[in-house]
Amino acid sequence: LAKTTQPISMDSYEGQEVNITCSHNNIATNDYITWYQQFPSQGPRFIIQGYKTKVTNEVASLFIPADRKSSTLSLPRVSLSDTAVYYCLVGDRAGANNLFFGTGTRLTVIP
Amino acid sequence: DADVTQTPRNRITKTGKRIMLECSQTKGHDRMYWYRQDPGLGLRLIYYSFDVKDINKGEISDGYSVSRQAQAKFSLSLESAIPNQTALYFCATSDFRGTNTGELFFGEGSRLTVL
Repeated sequence: LAKTTQPISMDSYEGQEVNITCSHNNIATNDYITWYQQFPSQGPRFIIQGYKTKVTNEVASLFIPADRKSSTLSLPRVSLSDTAVYYCLVGDRAGANNLFFGTGTRLTVIP
Repeated sequence: DADVTQTPRNRITKTGKRIMLECSQTKGHDRMYWYRQDPGLGLRLIYYSFDVKDINKGEISDGYSVSRQAQAKFSLSLESAIPNQTALYFCATSDFRGTNTGELFFGEGSRLTVL
């Protein structure tokens, strides 16, 4: 089971780009990296998933270096509505080790 | 209507009572999960089921049991509730096939208070 380490919290001003890094030194060959967003009293919501290099969708970008021992979630031009907890999960998508959330990173966007 | 529905949404009960939280889904997914979230903490996996005949313990299964009555239904039971089971409980589903991401789809949560 690949353990992940994220900062506990981050603050950012509106309009800035935010980068949240996740460390996963013992990631396995079949493991993917998945990020979720959670607002208070709601269930987490899938943001993005990647295996290597860079993945981009309408919400975020995910940067994964060649050694895959870390990954960075990038949120462009954040707004107040991006205030949430962000979780990095690492595991085999077909198996059961992609189900562990940890404590996540609490992002606070400041006006 | 929500794809993943949890009932009840809120419940207050007393120590020693038996409680059942129910989850139903219309997504047609084979995989279903129960998570628990305590204030300020992340989600912890209680039980998971990859199909109707498959039930597995997660990180914190002690004090809980589950039943997968059908593909669409997955219930969580607390046989004898205790105060430290006071938490927000989430049901989730997923469907992994081929290149699918296997992303989890969550219900709206069931807030349980044990007095």
